[in-house]
Amino acid sequence: TQLLEQSPQFLSIQEGENLTVYCNSSSVFSSLQWYRQEPGEGPVLLVTVVTGGEVKKLKRLTFQFGDARKDSSLHITAAQPGDTGLYLCAGVRSNYQLIWGAGTKLIIKP
Amino acid sequence: DVKVTQSSRYLVKRTGEKVFLECVQDMDHENMFWYRQDPGLGLRLIYFSYDVKMKEKGDIPEGYSVSREKKERFSLILESASTNQTSMYLCASSTAGQGNQPQHFGDGTRLSIL
Repeated sequence: TQLLEQSPQFLSIQEGENLTVYCNSSSVFSSLQWYRQEPGEGPVLLVTVVTGGEVKKLKRLTFQFGDARKDSSLHITAAQPGDTGLYLCAGVRSNYQLIWGAGTKLIIKP
Repeated sequence: DVKVTQSSRYLVKRTGEKVFLECVQDMDHENMFWYRQDPGLGLRLIYFSYDVKMKEKGDIPEGYSVSREKKERFSLILESASTNQTSMYLCASSTAGQGNQPQHFGDGTRLSIL
């Protein structure tokens, strides 16, 4: 069974600080997706990374796919309270199915 | 915008009851999924369907069944509810393709089995 380990599980920081969330696996994925989930809602896709070494930016969020396509990171610069939520990574393992990390609960305090 | 609608936001049922969770999507997606989400465990796939009347087991199908009679609707059935099935249930849909397609989620059903 492929596993996707996500860390940290919980992070509470002050507004303006930087942070990084990690997603690691011993298996290779064809691509990896990052989602954000807010309380009372379903996850919403932020980005998909496909190529080993790929870096994608979404405003203050930077996503990187490892060279070997086994790991990924999400870096947030100058975090804001609106970034609060549950961040989930998901590795694509077949045409239909995703393997999900357990999630990082992020709280940004004003 | 894709809309995935789950019939109930909150549901309370008793042990042994047969429970139906309904999900409807409005974007003609081929694939539909049912997950349960528990703290610290992430999303675990129960069943998915890639076409009408087609279904495949996910990672934790025991105690559940599904039905997809129409393309837009995917139902999850708890045959005889048990307390360990208390959880958040999420439905999702996606287009067919090479696997990079995003999954679009409903807002979830928080199910409590007493």
